[in-house]
Amino acid sequence: NAGVTQTPKFRVLKTGQSMTLLCAQDMNHEYMYWYRQDPGMGLRLIHYSVGEGTTAKGEVPDGYNVSRLKKQNFLLGLESAAPSQTSVYFCASRGSLETQYFGPGTRLLVL
Amino acid sequence: SQQGEEDPQALSIQEGENATMNCSYKTSINNLQWYRQNSGRGLVHLILIRSNEREKHSGRLRVTLDTSKKSSSLLITASRAADTASYFCASGTYKYIFGTGTRLKVLA
Repeated sequence: NAGVTQTPKFRVLKTGQSMTLLCAQDMNHEYMYWYRQDPGMGLRLIHYSVGEGTTAKGEVPDGYNVSRLKKQNFLLGLESAAPSQTSVYFCASRGSLETQYFGPGTRLLVL
Repeated sequence: SQQGEEDPQALSIQEGENATMNCSYKTSINNLQWYRQNSGRGLVHLILIRSNEREKHSGRLRVTLDTSKKSSSLLITASRAADTASYFCASGTYKYIFGTGTRLKVLA
């Protein structure tokens, strides 16, 4: 039982490049979330999903897209990376007990 | 921004002392949760308190919730060096707003 895993752990992009961050959970959770964490800002919700095939915008969705084709996976895409997207990205899943389980994070640097 | 706020932003105490941190939130909630984050790592769930509860205990943790003031507090009793971390509150229903966090340092 791995919990929540994230791929990759670290990535450097040039402005304008695209990439996809992968989140996988093996707890059969319905809810999944993508957050970004910037210094002194806590976590801010980017997008979330309440079940397979569904996605919804969070607090800071601009510049990101997501997909939830399989229940266990939640993908976060950056179509054209900008320096303002330099951050640490965390994925989380939530089951019926309402506790969120977090992945280890992906550090993204956009030059 | 809908982001909640926590105070103090940073707290430094001696081992064995109690640590209290406060959280204020802006939206209606079903529950409020507290999480811990060790440096550079993912968040770990500590305790959940529902909107119809006023106080909850778990080991050395005590959480209170005042929905009329939209505020919560986390008390860690008899702190240990291993409690050194950042602590965040998260409020909401099925999606959550996190506070800005309190950085706790426990000195041995």
